[in-house]
Amino acid sequence: DQQVKQNSPSLSVQEGRISILNCDYTNSMFDYFLWYKKYPAEGPTFLISISSIKDKNEDGRFTVFLNKSAKHLSLHIVPSQPGDSAVYFCAATYSGAGSYQLTFGKGTKLSVIP
Amino acid sequence: NAGVTQTPKFRILKIGQSMTLQCTQDMNHNYMYWYRQDPGMGLKLIYYSVGAGITDKGEVPNGYNVSRSTTEDFPLRLELAAPSQTSVYFCASSEGYGYTFGSGTRLTVV
Repeated sequence: DQQVKQNSPSLSVQEGRISILNCDYTNSMFDYFLWYKKYPAEGPTFLISISSIKDKNEDGRFTVFLNKSAKHLSLHIVPSQPGDSAVYFCAATYSGAGSYQLTFGKGTKLSVIP
Repeated sequence: NAGVTQTPKFRILKIGQSMTLQCTQDMNHNYMYWYRQDPGMGLKLIYYSVGAGITDKGEVPNGYNVSRSTTEDFPLRLELAAPSQTSVYFCASSEGYGYTFGSGTRLTVV
């Protein structure tokens, strides 16, 4: 049973436009959410996170939105750049677990076309 | 600053062979993790450790063993390799939710 779902395996966006990557979760206990970015032949790198007490968090070109009632979060990249082409993983956790374990989605491959 | 170092990067094993995937971190992080990523799938947690001498099972621990004798090292042992263990293995360390991952070990069992 997938607790974190990224239903779009891939997304193509023109350079300069907005990229929107979506993620849904089913576990009501999850209260902290993260996005990781992964290039080929490298490990994932942490990008941005959001706590369930917020509905938005920004870091430069990256913004994450959280809709708790819909159990949905999204990552917005504005403007998109060719270097953003990578696989993006959504991850979630329950902060009371005490071990920082993360549950990952399957990932969305973003291609930014110059 | 090396971060998290995994060796080897690639390995081909025959069914029934054993091997150890090495993982070392130089950030003095207490928490360390082993994940596997199968094609088209997300990362699944195999084992984790909250400090030297303390380890616990994750979502998919069968066929694997770990030890954590020092803060720096967290090796993953495969005792009897099976084709189902063909995957990319990632080690990570953290002091919070922002993990630092190694670059991975691509393992093929034939």
